[in-house]
Amino acid sequence: EVQLVQSGAEVKKPGESLKISCKGSGYSFTSYWIGWVRQMPGKGLEWMGIIYPGDSDTRYSPSFQGQVTISADKSISTAYLQWSSLKASDTAMYYCARRIVGATSWFDPWGQGTLVTVSS
Amino acid sequence: DIQMTQSPSSLSASVGDRVTITCRASQSISSYLNWYQQKPGKAPKLLIYAASSLQSGVPSRFSGSGSGTDFTLTISSLQPEDFATYYCQQSYSTPWWTFGPGTKVDIK
Repeated sequence: EVQLVQSGAEVKKPGESLKISCKGSGYSFTSYWIGWVRQMPGKGLEWMGIIYPGDSDTRYSPSFQGQVTISADKSISTAYLQWSSLKASDTAMYYCARRIVGATSWFDPWGQGTLVTVSS
Repeated sequence: DIQMTQSPSSLSASVGDRVTITCRASQSISSYLNWYQQKPGKAPKLLIYAASSLQSGVPSRFSGSGSGTDFTLTISSLQPEDFATYYCQQSYSTPWWTFGPGTKVDIK
């Protein structure tokens, strides 16, 4: 079974750093892009960026460029999303998802989500 | 950027109803349109890809249609487990994919 399992919920203070993870299993991790999506409380879905673990090629949404860093460690089939200095506005649920490419492309499956709460 | 809109933003329906949700792109995206279902507290789940292809394991009461700028998700007979929020997503503008704002389907 193809699965993405994310790390657990985090509670942080403004200014702290954080790295959350997304571990893939049941498929060739290096052969599929992994994307990250933010969902702020009560709001919709926003693309943050995407990485190809095979060669670490990374692309960011302009809205998130410079705000977060996406990385991957293919030796342990894990992608990461990190912040160097969190803000209260980073409070959200974060999802990773695998990109499938056919005639078009889509995302499946999705991780279960990691809730990040930033509060003083 | 390609902007996605959905209508309605919410709807109330009864079990057994036929439900139609519309998604519109700000420019032509051919068939590069996907639909996801999200239940409260859960991750999004892929329903339809490439505008009209049903994801494996998804009930056949779900269907998608459209191309260019206008797309539709139809639930032929609404079931209790279908009450959720539905999002469209364009995959034409790689890698700057965008989602619609969502349509919440709740119980009448």
